[in-house]
Amino acid sequence: EAQVTQNPRYLITVTGKKLTVTCSQNMNHEYMSWYRQDPGLGLRQIYYSMNVEVTDKGDVPEGYKVSRKEKRNFPLILESPSPNQTSLYFCASSLAPASIYGYTFGSGTRLTVV
Amino acid sequence: ILNVEQSPQSLHVQEGDSTNFTCSFPSSNFYALHWYRWETAKSPEALFVMTLNGDEKKKGRISATLNTKEGYSYLYIKGSQPEDSATYLCASGSYNTDKLIFGTGTRLQVFP
Repeated sequence: EAQVTQNPRYLITVTGKKLTVTCSQNMNHEYMSWYRQDPGLGLRQIYYSMNVEVTDKGDVPEGYKVSRKEKRNFPLILESPSPNQTSLYFCASSLAPASIYGYTFGSGTRLTVV
Repeated sequence: ILNVEQSPQSLHVQEGDSTNFTCSFPSSNFYALHWYRWETAKSPEALFVMTLNGDEKKKGRISATLNTKEGYSYLYIKGSQPEDSATYLCASGSYNTDKLIFGTGTRLQVFP
């Protein structure tokens, strides 16, 4: 089944404790993105990647890192999480730029930083 | 319009009612308008991608129209069913970019 797999689904952590949210897709998509969803706001892009070893900042990249060492994986790293990073996170992938084809989304990771 | 705006924010209808929502988007640098259906505890699923002024798309009881000159799209649901209950997101994209600008969604609840 074609899908984007995120882990974990839920995570509660403490301020400053490094964490990684994994994302993997099995559709051989070139493009991958991370978005966050906060109440009263639309999904906002954190980082995106156009191919292996090619990443760029989205609209809200502060406090996050990403890497794209393999085509299928695009982990999101929070080196020192803070409470304002409490949010619902979505990984997404696309065959071509998302403006053309749109995204396939993962199931989401609900992160709480205390 | 600088952002993608959706209205209404939420909608409650009875089973069998037809309904529609609006998405307004910036018409400058516009390439495509996307609609997604997002059920609680699941991931958003693509419904439609539209690019041309006057485009109309249909999937079962759901259809959408696009007006790029005035910067709006309508999503219609004919004969709403409880399983249509979800948040409907629209998003605008510029040409050849890997970013979509999302609205805050319209949350639809259909009561039996």
